[in-house]
Amino acid sequence: DQQVKQNSPSLSVQEGRISILNCDYTNSMFDYFLWYKKYPAEGPTFLISISSIKDKNEDGRFTVFLNKSAKHLSLHIVPSQPGDSAVYFCASGGSNYKLTFGKGTLLTVNP
Amino acid sequence: DTAVSQTPKYLVTQMGNDKSIKCEQNLGHDTMYWYKQDSKKFLKIMFSYNNKELIINETVPNRFSPKSPDKAHLNLHINSLELGDSAVYFCASSPGLAGVLFADTQYFGPGTRLTVL
Repeated sequence: DQQVKQNSPSLSVQEGRISILNCDYTNSMFDYFLWYKKYPAEGPTFLISISSIKDKNEDGRFTVFLNKSAKHLSLHIVPSQPGDSAVYFCASGGSNYKLTFGKGTLLTVNP
Repeated sequence: DTAVSQTPKYLVTQMGNDKSIKCEQNLGHDTMYWYKQDSKKFLKIMFSYNNKELIINETVPNRFSPKSPDKAHLNLHINSLELGDSAVYFCASSPGLAGVLFADTQYFGPGTRLTVL
C-alpha cells in the first residue's frame, strides 16, 4: 500500500530551466511533508519541508507547493543546475513518529 | 566530523550468517532510525529509538534486532541472513521524534550495502 507516490521515475531538464517534481499521497492524516535529495553512494539529505497548514514554502531556488485537497505536493527548482542532478524523495509524516517515503525521482539537469 | 556514520559501508556474506551494522551520530540528537532500501528503491522505516527507548518497530522479522547502548549509537544485528535481506540499510537521526513540534528533519548516514550470497 503505497501511501506516498512519485509516479515519474525520472525527469530530464536543461540547465537554467525549471524542474518540477511531483508527489501524491493518500493518507489524509499526514501533516507535514519533506523533500530529500540523494546522490549515488550517499544517504539522503534534507532539502525543504512544509507543514500541512501552509500551501507554499520557499528556500532559495527551491519551492515546495502543497495542495491538500488534491493530496499533491510538488518541488520546483529554478533555475536548475547540473549539480541538482540526483534522486529526489518525497516523504510524509504524521503523529505516528515515522516518515513514509516515495520511491524517488531521478532528476538529470543537462548543461 | 561526519554527522551520521555507519560501518561497514559494504558487507558481503553467506546465507545463514549473523552480521552487525553499526551507526553513530555526533549531532546530539535524541532519536535514531534504521531504514531499508530494497531493490525497488523504497526507503522503509524498520526501527526508531528515542533516548534509547524503542519507539517504532515495523513489521520486521525478529531476526533483526536493534541495540541502542546510548543515544548516540544504534546498531543493527541480523541473525540467519537470507537472500531477501540484501539491500542498502540507512541509519538516520533527528533532534526529536518525527511528528513532534516538527523536529523531524532526519539526517542520514551514507548507507551500508548488504549482499547476501
